[in-house]
Amino acid sequence: KAGVTQTPRYLIKTRGQQVTLSCSPISGHRSVSWYQQTPGQGLQFLFEYFSETQRNKGNFPGRFSGRQFSNSRSEMNVSTLELGDSALYLCASSSTGPDTQYFGPGTRLTVL
Amino acid sequence: GENVEQHPSTLSVQEGDSAVIKCTYSDSASNYFPWYKQELGKGPQLIIDIRSNVGEKKDQRIAVTLNKTAKHFSLHITETQPEDSAVYFCAASIGDSWGKLQFGAGTQVVVTP
Repeated sequence: KAGVTQTPRYLIKTRGQQVTLSCSPISGHRSVSWYQQTPGQGLQFLFEYFSETQRNKGNFPGRFSGRQFSNSRSEMNVSTLELGDSALYLCASSSTGPDTQYFGPGTRLTVL
Repeated sequence: GENVEQHPSTLSVQEGDSAVIKCTYSDSASNYFPWYKQELGKGPQLIIDIRSNVGEKKDQRIAVTLNKTAKHFSLHITETQPEDSAVYFCAASIGDSWGKLQFGAGTQVVVTP
């Protein structure tokens, strides 16, 4: 089976812009979780989607949002980018819940 | 709130020696504890996980132990090899939701030949 794929792998944006990241889960997996990884804060949970519904949410401002499509693919959006949003954004998929999460390679976002 | 502490932050071992990483968690409802290995430029890779109804689990050179009473769990790597060099993260489910994980800060493991 193919693993979790994320696109794009690298992004450079400027402050105030918005960005959309995409995640395709492992085939058959219906749960997708998103995490932000930074050197200072480590890995932090953003949100989880299951069957097109947000099931869990972390402590991030409303500028961070996401959605999941009927084919389980997920997108996350960050509006009004700030310098502090520079990070590696990781998504992880699992078959149903609860189950083991498998991570993708991440999208490296740089905000200038 | 939920918190996972991980020690040590760096660990240098000689090839062939054992490595031990320890984590503590605060959420009594946590019932799932995975360990991930992350190499430079890659996403975290699951290496082993344990559920709250199990005290120990082993997979070849890797083992994990869990003490629910003390709220701590540990990763043991035996016969370390240079390819074990990476950053290792422990994690705990937030409550009983496996889709929501709280991660430790990570341990940089360096295995020298």
